[in-house]
Amino acid sequence: SQKIEQNSEALNIQEGKTATLTCNYTNYSPAYLQWYRQDPGRGPVFLLLIRENEKEKRKERLKVTFDTTLKQSLFHITASQPADSATYLCALDMGQAGTALIFGKGTTLSVSS
Amino acid sequence: GAVVSQHPSRVICKSGTSVKIECRSLDFQATTMFWYRQFPKQSLMLMATSNEGSKATYEQGVEKDKFLINHASLTLSTLTVTSAHPEDSSFYICSAGAAGNTIYFGEGSWLTVV
Repeated sequence: SQKIEQNSEALNIQEGKTATLTCNYTNYSPAYLQWYRQDPGRGPVFLLLIRENEKEKRKERLKVTFDTTLKQSLFHITASQPADSATYLCALDMGQAGTALIFGKGTTLSVSS
Repeated sequence: GAVVSQHPSRVICKSGTSVKIECRSLDFQATTMFWYRQFPKQSLMLMATSNEGSKATYEQGVEKDKFLINHASLTLSTLTVTSAHPEDSSFYICSAGAAGNTIYFGEGSWLTVV
């Protein structure tokens, strides 16, 4: 069966540390993988997109890796801050116009000062 | 940048009544919009794909007669929850695709059916 899983429901880390979130999927072949941030009661906000032929993508303190052999993406936030506390969602993008993203449940990150 | 607007952000309705949620793309045209539902601590679950000028495509298990979708223009899609019941209480989110692979989400609409 097709599944997309984010390894943990919650992750608690100290300010300044690197947060690493995992997204695994089975029986999908996405063309892209996207990561979103969602704050309580709000819609998701796009963070990063990585293509199937890219190994790594960076944007400021964010880094995403994509391993199509392992069917896994890792999302890193370096030098984490309390303002980074939110739920992070990974989403599979099949790359076909007019098809919806497929979302994981999300990992709720709490950064304590 | 591109923005997707949803209205209302919160609505309370009585059981048995209908409620309409609007999703607008503010500075781009969207031939396709998507409607999701999200329960607390759960993933966004796709309900339907809304296509401008044609009928929406519903996901398995979503009743098309209960969740009416109208995409009458390139900037507006509406979701009407008909004969709402308390179990329909949820967070409804729409999204629309702009140029390239960028998907923009609305802020969501909280529906509470009492």
